[in-house]
Amino acid sequence: DVKVTQSSRYLVKRTGEKVFLECVQDMDHENMFWYRQDPGLGLRLIYFSYDVKMKEKGDIPEGYSVSREKKERFSLILESASTNQTSMYLCASSFWRQGKEKLFFGSGTQLSVL
Amino acid sequence: QQQVKQSPQSLIVQKGGISIINCAYENTAFDYFPWYQQFPGKGPALLIAIRPDVSEKKEGRFTISFNKSAKQFSLHIMDSQPGDSATYFCAASTPSGGYQKVTFGTGTKLQVIP
Repeated sequence: DVKVTQSSRYLVKRTGEKVFLECVQDMDHENMFWYRQDPGLGLRLIYFSYDVKMKEKGDIPEGYSVSREKKERFSLILESASTNQTSMYLCASSFWRQGKEKLFFGSGTQLSVL
Repeated sequence: QQQVKQSPQSLIVQKGGISIINCAYENTAFDYFPWYQQFPGKGPALLIAIRPDVSEKKEGRFTISFNKSAKQFSLHIMDSQPGDSATYFCAASTPSGGYQKVTFGTGTKLQVIP
């Protein structure tokens, strides 16, 4: 069964801390994504990567960076956490076959910044 | 700018009833319209999807109706069951470089009561 694994289910950090959220997929997918999910706002794309060492900004990249050193691993970095970054963070990978795309999501990391 | 508008935000349906969730889009470049289902504590998972060259797609109790001229699409859940209680996200995607850029609606929390 396909799997996207996020390293932490819950995380509590202090304002100003550097935060790393890790994500690993075992499906050999080229594309990987980081979304944040907030009530009433749906899922918003932070960053994505279509290949190792490649990254592209999504809709809300401010305050975040990413790293993809290996195909299976995609990390989201909060350089200096702020309270407005308290959110549910979802990692996903995807394939595109025969005109159909399917996103596979991890279970999410609920981050609280105090 | 909300490119995919979803309503209602929440929905309560009795067991056996029909659940209807509506979405509208603006960008005519969208060429793929998936629906994702999210249970508490889990990431979203692809439920059903449609391309704009068909007006309806049915998979079991789940049906997507698509109106290209009105730029609207909806999810119908027939014979709704308590196990269908989840948050549903409509989405729309368009080719963007080497991948599909997916835009999500804001989500509908469905509760099916016995």
